[in-house]
Amino acid sequence: AQTVTQSQPEMSVQEAETVTLSCTYDTSESDYYLFWYKQPPSRQMILVIRQEAYKQQNATENRFSVNFQKAAKSFSLKISDSQLGDAAMYFCAYRETGANSKLTFGKGITLSVRP
Amino acid sequence: GAVVSQHPSRVICKSGTSVKIECRSLDFQATTMFWYRQFPKQSLMLMATSNEGSKATYEQGVEKDKFLINHASLTLSTLTVTSAHPEDSSFYICSASSGGAYEQYFGPGTRLTVT
Repeated sequence: AQTVTQSQPEMSVQEAETVTLSCTYDTSESDYYLFWYKQPPSRQMILVIRQEAYKQQNATENRFSVNFQKAAKSFSLKISDSQLGDAAMYFCAYRETGANSKLTFGKGITLSVRP
Repeated sequence: GAVVSQHPSRVICKSGTSVKIECRSLDFQATTMFWYRQFPKQSLMLMATSNEGSKATYEQGVEKDKFLINHASLTLSTLTVTSAHPEDSSFYICSASSGGAYEQYFGPGTRLTVT
């Protein structure tokens, strides 16, 4: 079964600085999707970024970028120029390519941003 | 963008009663909907997957007779917590997928409190 591991329960970053959130996963599939979701205090799940495993290029969305290492099964999220609004819980997630496949989530990491 | 709504956002019920939570896709047809449960500071736990017009598939350990899921149309799925008890108090989140997309769209969640 696929597993997603986020080993750091909490992290803190100074406003305007850069922080990297780690995630590893385990799968026997060669093609799949990886996601980072943000859950602010409102608890609405917000998609931050996604990566298709067949793409070698790392995904980027404004201040958010990933370091996707397929062989190492690693998928870290880098947040640049951290803002107070980035404070939230962040979940790494894995999904197979089949239609309507379920998401497998990591345990999540709570990110705090210091002003 | 794709919008998923949940109703109610908060509900308080007495022990022994049943409560129904609705999940609606507002601007797309959701061939599959997923129901999650989340405890404070924890990850999302998938309870079941429902496809329109067919029986839901429950995850191991989830009581299907207690958590009744109905996906009667391509825009509506309901979760009914039957004979609720205080231990059923939790945050319930639904998500919806349109089949071809690799993305799930999340509802805002429902906070259930059983007294």
